[in-house]
Amino acid sequence: QQQVKQSPQSLIVQKGGIPIINCAYENTAFDYFPWYQQFPGKGPALLIAIRPDVSEKKEGRFTISFNKSAKQFSLHIMDSQPGDSATYFCAASITTSGTYKYIFGTGTRLKVLA
Amino acid sequence: SQTIHQWPATLVQPVGSPLSLECTVEGTSNPNLYWYRQAAGRGLQLLFYSVGIGQISSEVPQNLSASRPQDRQFILSSKKLLLSDSGFYLCAWRGPSGAGEQYFGPGTRLTVT
Repeated sequence: QQQVKQSPQSLIVQKGGIPIINCAYENTAFDYFPWYQQFPGKGPALLIAIRPDVSEKKEGRFTISFNKSAKQFSLHIMDSQPGDSATYFCAASITTSGTYKYIFGTGTRLKVLA
Repeated sequence: SQTIHQWPATLVQPVGSPLSLECTVEGTSNPNLYWYRQAAGRGLQLLFYSVGIGQISSEVPQNLSASRPQDRQFILSSKKLLLSDSGFYLCAWRGPSGAGEQYFGPGTRLTVT
């Protein structure tokens, strides 16, 4: 119940395409859903996040779609660029013992072809 | 602005040797601090988290331990490293009154030989 399932494992798109990465969860106590971008050898960087009372959030070329009833959320990257090639992680957090605890998906390796 | 530091950046240690990785955060007070491990090509596994000085919660029983001797310092240790301890170790922080955002440090690449 604490898992976050992420798919696909890897994704290749052409420049300008719209890659979509999906995540699903079981625990309805999760209350915060961030996405992270990680380049090789670097720490993950927070990209965008959403709370379950919102169905969509957009920041620049990145959009999160959230379906509370289906317990699913997804990341869309508009007009993808070769510089977006990285590994993307979804996560879900739950408040416990006075802090947030985060559960991460297994990651999606994205490659954007020039 | 807030900054998180980790050192060393890379480390090669023999099996059975001790380990000490350090993480410090600047520009914030009373942060929640986290240690994660990332195996090659894998996701992030939460190891420890701390809500304050001396307060450590362990997520996975293992060969590692954590300590928080100061408000903005978090240390990951081992008395005797195993081959399976190899990985990319990430420290993260979250502000005590933030909306939930968690920020990661640059990481330490540990290779146990």
